[in-house]
Amino acid sequence: EIVLTQSPTTMAASPGEKVTLNCLASSSVSYMNWYQQKSGASPKLWIYGTSNLASGVPNRFSGSGSGTSYSLTISSMEAEDVATYYCLQLSSYPLTFGSGTKLEIK
Amino acid sequence: EVQLVETGGGLVQPGRSLKLSCVASGFTFNNYWMSWTRQAPGKGLEWVASITNSGGSTYYPDSVKGRFTISRDNAQNTLYLQMNSLRSEDTATYYCTRAHFDYWGQGVMVTVSS
Repeated sequence: EIVLTQSPTTMAASPGEKVTLNCLASSSVSYMNWYQQKSGASPKLWIYGTSNLASGVPNRFSGSGSGTSYSLTISSMEAEDVATYYCLQLSSYPLTFGSGTKLEIK
Repeated sequence: EVQLVETGGGLVQPGRSLKLSCVASGFTFNNYWMSWTRQAPGKGLEWVASITNSGGSTYYPDSVKGRFTISRDNAQNTLYLQMNSLRSEDTATYYCTRAHFDYWGQGVMVTVSS
């Protein structure tokens, strides 16, 4: 089983601050998906295929990485970005999610 | 517009069974793999099952293998999850998801408790 370790677990960022969320895989994966989940809502696909923004995602978001190390970056934090972000690997079964990063605003 | 609507959740005693349904609309259902994912209260996401577009192959993690069965009726655009021998640790919100988890339903709560 591929274990995905997300860091940090929780973080708070100021409006306008650059934010980087990390996802480390225990074995190499072909690509990574990221999901945004706001409180009380279903998760939404946010980034797919490592670096492709889902429909409607603001371009202040970006994704990068390869092999075992992936990241989601917000170039300038906004209040609407408050959420928990999860990474997901689809390269091998069992499919696994990271434990999530809870992003708050200062 | 893609829509996934789950039904069938509720309170069930340990050891009993429950069947969830997910009605899909807004896309050609039989062209897509489908999956179930769950989220225990206050916890993260866990993949539960996947099924190919024809229904010919299914996939499960060890945590539910042998207890849960995913199936589909392409004529009715409906995905199912039969859950047997339920345990307290199966308590969660269950989401129906399309293909590579690009669309999610609103979720349905399953509580396993005596």
